[in-house]
Amino acid sequence: EAQVTQNPRYLITVTGKKLTVTCSQNMNHEYMSWYRQDPGLGLRQIYYSMNVEVTDKGDVPEGYKVSRKEKRNFPLILESPSPNQTSLYFCAVGGGRYSPLHFGNGTRLTVT
Amino acid sequence: GQSLEQPSEVTAVEGAIVQINCTYQTSGFYGLSWYQQHDGGAPTFLSYNGLDGLEETGRFSSFLSRSDSYGYLLLQELQMKDSASYFCAVSRDDKIIFGKGTRLHILP
Repeated sequence: EAQVTQNPRYLITVTGKKLTVTCSQNMNHEYMSWYRQDPGLGLRQIYYSMNVEVTDKGDVPEGYKVSRKEKRNFPLILESPSPNQTSLYFCAVGGGRYSPLHFGNGTRLTVT
Repeated sequence: GQSLEQPSEVTAVEGAIVQINCTYQTSGFYGLSWYQQHDGGAPTFLSYNGLDGLEETGRFSSFLSRSDSYGYLLLQELQMKDSASYFCAVSRDDKIIFGKGTRLHILP
């Protein structure tokens, strides 16, 4: 069964404390991406990766880092979280030109 | 720039048909997709239009007209479980850009 596994589901942290949200897939897909979802703003792409060691900025990359050292994993890193990064985050696999996106279950992050 | 416009909310009656429109201002995109998201859940893929015309998948159909920069999602025989948010999205270059979503309310 195709799976996109995101952890943790819920995370509460304080401003400035580095955190990582993990994402792994068993679909052997080259394309992975991160989105944040905020009320009234829909889904906005943070970063995407077309393959190992290939990453690029989406529409809202400020304050985030990613890495793609292996095909199955694509962690999202917040080096110094701030309250405006409080949001619902989704990892997605697939996309690009013709492939539909498969989303992880989401991570609800609260930064106080 | 690139933008997709869709109504923020739509209300329909159980058993009826509802159409959710999506207009866009972008060029050179590969196709228009639709996703469904229930409260507390992740978006799930519904349909994709790479070419102009109608695509049908069970009770759901999706339409694309590139000349009109317009697409829609049609839901037939509405059921209460169809209450959700629906997002249109375009695939352009290596990015997928989403509309802000349409909240569908279904009345019994």
